[in-house]
Amino acid sequence: DAGVIQSPRHEVTEMGQEVTLRCKPISGHNSLFWYRQTMMRGLELLIYFNNNVPIDDSGMPEDRFSAKMPNASFSTLKIQPSEPRDSAVYFCASRGDREKPGNTIYFGEGSWLTVV
Amino acid sequence: AQSVTQLDSQVPVFEEAPVELRCNYSSSVSVYLFWYVQYPNQGLQLLLKYLSGSTLVKGINGFEAEFNKSQTSFHLRKPSVHISDTAEYFCAVTPNTGFQKLVFGTGTRLLVSP
Repeated sequence: DAGVIQSPRHEVTEMGQEVTLRCKPISGHNSLFWYRQTMMRGLELLIYFNNNVPIDDSGMPEDRFSAKMPNASFSTLKIQPSEPRDSAVYFCASRGDREKPGNTIYFGEGSWLTVV
Repeated sequence: AQSVTQLDSQVPVFEEAPVELRCNYSSSVSVYLFWYVQYPNQGLQLLLKYLSGSTLVKGINGFEAEFNKSQTSFHLRKPSVHISDTAEYFCAVTPNTGFQKLVFGTGTRLLVSP
């Protein structure tokens, strides 16, 4: 079975450029999460969706960040304009069944972003 | 709100030695608890989780963890580690009702040397 698929795996971009990270959750999962991992701050939840609807975006750093989930099989995280402090690993994760918080969250392999 | 504390940022250990990675949590409601492992340049993978029932939980790769409600702890143990266990280990917590997010600790890097 395919897991959570993220693209690109690695991205190097110049400050000020727009960055779009993509995620395909596991088929049938109805919850999707975007996490950011840095050495300084560890794993931070940026936003999560349930049935394509954003439930909590309180972790989104600022207006430069936006996330969408147009359908059950695709989500994007966009940074515009990008800054060097956005350099991090961005993980997408998904989970099945809204009413069961004990269900496992499955992570993708991450998108490694470097902004120079 | 929930929080997780992993006091040890790094734990060095020799191969075949036992290891314990500590995790303490804070919550005003009942919770589910998880341990995830992250190998270099990879995503996070579930090791084990505690939902209910027996407080001793066994996971993959020979790991186990014990839930202690009175001490609000969920320490991870392995009786004999391998070089391949070198990785980052994350403890996480979520309330056991409703639709809640998973809150992670800062991680513990396990370094296994020959």
